[in-house]
Amino acid sequence: DAGVIQSPRHEVTEMGQEVTLRCKPISGHNSLFWYRQTMMRGLELLIYFNNNVPIDDSGMPEDRFSAKMPNASFSTLKIQPSEPRDSAVYFCASSLQNTEAFFGQGTRLTVV
Amino acid sequence: QKEVEQNSGPLSVPEGAIASLNCTYSDRGSQSFFWYRQYSGKSPELIMSIYSNGDKEDGRFTAQLNKASQYVSLLIRDSQPSDSATYLCAGKIYNQGGKLIFGQGTELSVKP
Repeated sequence: DAGVIQSPRHEVTEMGQEVTLRCKPISGHNSLFWYRQTMMRGLELLIYFNNNVPIDDSGMPEDRFSAKMPNASFSTLKIQPSEPRDSAVYFCASSLQNTEAFFGQGTRLTVV
Repeated sequence: QKEVEQNSGPLSVPEGAIASLNCTYSDRGSQSFFWYRQYSGKSPELIMSIYSNGDKEDGRFTAQLNKASQYVSLLIRDSQPSDSATYLCAGKIYNQGGKLIFGQGTELSVKP
């Protein structure tokens, strides 16, 4: 298996633009997590899905953030409009429910 | 109180010594615990999973779980410079749909 695949690896965008991050979980995994990592705040859970259904989005910082999982093999995290303080590394991870999670390579987002 | 707490370090040990990393958690609904290693600029990599009280050994690594004390630890024997990284403790909360929460991480430096 190729593991969790995220795209793009790097994204540089201007403030106010829409940003879409993509994730393909490991085949057969039924839980998917989106995290944001910064030096100040560490690894923060933004939202997670079980069987394509969002379970808890309380970590999403603002209404500018949204996430979808239209099927078992694809999820997106969208920021609209983006702001400089959104600059961070965004990770997607997947697991079988209640077992270990595996991470993608991450997307390094820079908003200028 | 954070759901998962770690000493932020940095923790410095000489090569060949035992490194001891500690983690406490607040939610008794947490059932599974994991240790991840993260090198600078890379994604978190799973190194140990522990699901029941007691010790679990894998090579130079030993994870310990004490659910009564809400305490998880990781011992690294015969530490090597290549073990220098940030170690993240994580707990999965079954009664919240498998929510996976991370501590802030402990930076470990192994000096040759």
